[in-house]
Amino acid sequence: GQQLNQSPQSMFIQEGEDVSMNCTSSSIFNTWLWYKQDPGEGPVLLIALYKAGELTSNGRLTAQFGITRKDSFLNISASIPSDVGIYFCAGRYNNAGNMLTFGGGTRLMVKP
Amino acid sequence: DGGITQSPKYLFRKEGQNVTLSCEQNLNHDAMYWYRQDPGQGLRLIYYSQIVNDFQKGDIAEGYSVSREKKESFPLTVTSAQKNPTAFYLCASSMEAGGRYGYTFGSGTRLTVV
Repeated sequence: GQQLNQSPQSMFIQEGEDVSMNCTSSSIFNTWLWYKQDPGEGPVLLIALYKAGELTSNGRLTAQFGITRKDSFLNISASIPSDVGIYFCAGRYNNAGNMLTFGGGTRLMVKP
Repeated sequence: DGGITQSPKYLFRKEGQNVTLSCEQNLNHDAMYWYRQDPGQGLRLIYYSQIVNDFQKGDIAEGYSVSREKKESFPLTVTSAQKNPTAFYLCASSMEAGGRYGYTFGSGTRLTVV
């Protein structure tokens, strides 16, 4: 089946630093999504990408749909303590019945 | 406001008991999903339902059962056959089967075996 490799698995950074994380797939996707999960809560959708090469921002967050359609990137600029959580990528190929495939998550810790 | 509600937030189960986790959505979504999350781990799919009265096993269905009698409800039963049930359980829904526009997640139920 499809595999999504998300890296890094965890990051411990200083407040104010920029953060980068990425996901790579063994097969092409038509949809890439990025979620954030706060401790003890369900994931919340941050950014959705539907076109190869697409670059989309949501405040300090920027995500890109890789041109090969096998990867996606999420950047967080000027991190703050409330950025702490687990970030998940998810991808899907638009065939009938296909569901989202989730990456293993990147745990972000921010030191004030 | 539309959303997806999981209850209870915390659940304790004695060994050998069955317990049922509730998941209700008022988003008019067709598809619903159950995931299990262990500490420091990603999401593993237990069951999913793309339409009322139909559901499919996910990657780790053993020891779990579901029903989808109503569009808005997708309860998960953790049976005594599930040998290691302590985990965080997440329910999700999507507008259409497949979730091209993403899944909406509930806030989770933390199940602990005592």
